Amino acid sequence: SQKIEQNSEALNIQEGKTATLTCNYTNYSPAYLQWYRQDPGRGPVFLLLIRENEKEKRKERLKVTFDTTLKQSLFHITASQPADSATYLCALLNYNQGGKLIFGQGTELSVKP
Amino acid sequence: DAGVTQSPTHLIKTRGQQVTLRCSPKSGHDTVSWYQQALGQGPQFIFQYYEEEERQRGNFPDRFSGHQFPNYSSELNVNALLLGDSALYLCASSLDSTSTDTQYFGPGTRLTVL
Repeated sequence: SQKIEQNSEALNIQEGKTATLTCNYTNYSPAYLQWYRQDPGRGPVFLLLIRENEKEKRKERLKVTFDTTLKQSLFHITASQPADSATYLCALLNYNQGGKLIFGQGTELSVKP
Repeated sequence: DAGVTQSPTHLIKTRGQQVTLRCSPKSGHDTVSWYQQALGQGPQFIFQYYEEEERQRGNFPDRFSGHQFPNYSSELNVNALLLGDSALYLCASSLDSTSTDTQYFGPGTRLTVL
C-alpha cells in the first residue's frame, strides 16, 4: 500500500541545536517533495520544494535532502529558535496524479529556550 | 499582493445541513485545490479546479462538490453533513503551467458539525 510517514513522536530540542525531521514514503514515485510549516488553527505555509533529481536544497537556516533510493527526505533547521516551534508537514506530488499533493501526518517541533 | 483568502473563518452546522465555503486564489493564480484536515492529521486532497472544470478528485463522496468561477475563485459545497465532516477546510492556489507548481494555502475554514 502507499504510505507517507513522518516522525510519529513530537520533537523537543534546545534552542541553538539542529532539528532534523524525517519523511519516508512507500510505493510512490514523487516528482517532487515539499515541506510546509503549520501553526495551530492556521493554514500550512510553504517552506521548500525539492525535485526528484535534486539531492539538497537550502534556504537560510533550512535544509532539505531527498534520497529517492532510500525513499526519504530529511528536513533540517539549524540554530533553532523558540519561534520555530510548529508542526511541519511533508507533502509529495506523485507522477501521473496531476496536482494532488499527498501529505504526511506532520511532526510537532518544540524548541525550548 | 493578497495571498489566498477563505471565508468564513469558522462555521457551526448541524447534521444533515448543507454548507458552502469560499476561496479567492492568490493574485495571478488560476488553479484552486481543496483539502480537508482532521485534527492531528495531514491535509487530505478533495479536488482541484482549473479553467472552471474539476480536473482531479480525491477519495471523497459525491456529497462534496465544488465550483470555480471565471475570476478563478472557488466554492466547496458539502451536503448532508455528518459529524465526521468536522475539520479544517483548506484552499490552495497555484499557477498551473504543468500542474506541478507549488501550492499556496489559505488560512482555512474551521467547520464544526453538531
